[in-house]
Amino acid sequence: GAGVSQSPSNKVTEKGKDVELRCDPISGHTALYWYRQSLGQGLEFLIYFQGNSAPDKSGLPSDRFSAERTGGSVSTLTIQRTQQEDSAVYLCASGPGGYNSPLHFGNGTRLTVT
Amino acid sequence: AQTVTQSQPEMSVQEAETVTLSCTYDTSESNYYLFWYKQPPSRQMILVIRQEAYKQQNATENRFSVNFQKAAKSFSLKISDSQLGDTAMYFCAPPSDNTDKLIFGTGTRLQVFP
Repeated sequence: GAGVSQSPSNKVTEKGKDVELRCDPISGHTALYWYRQSLGQGLEFLIYFQGNSAPDKSGLPSDRFSAERTGGSVSTLTIQRTQQEDSAVYLCASGPGGYNSPLHFGNGTRLTVT
Repeated sequence: AQTVTQSQPEMSVQEAETVTLSCTYDTSESNYYLFWYKQPPSRQMILVIRQEAYKQQNATENRFSVNFQKAAKSFSLKISDSQLGDTAMYFCAPPSDNTDKLIFGTGTRLQVFP
């Protein structure tokens, strides 16, 4: 079946512009995560959606970052007024929920802010 | 908050040899799962192996096995008969807290050379 799909795969934007990154999770998965990965670095947690619960936004680095998940499916991560330090790979992952369930990852969006 | 430590930023191993990647964590949970993920240069994160904390037997998946020491909160990954395709970043994902949020270690970059 289809895996987690992210678009675009690459995005180049100018400093100060807004960008939207999209994630299509695996159908039926209730858990959805966004992570950020700088070059050669680890995964930085950004936000977590689980079913109809309020999202855990504790990892968002500033108020320029926001995310929503519509209808419990597709998620959009929005970065407003992009800065050069926002350049990274943004990974989306989904899972069936629960602490015993592994995550399925998309291929990520590489964001470059010039 | 849950914490995890991968103390080896980089490791290298010769093809066909065995290598062990370390991971230690902190948790207040008593029943949980632990995961190792692999991220090859293609950027796609893949689940390598999963360990259930209440099971004393260490998990094994083909050439991959874990050395799980619950009391010491240690969860190392052993790769036997290393192959060139094992070259990747390896991330340890320890127990999540009650919100099920999944965080990762900083990763170990493994290079397998001929």
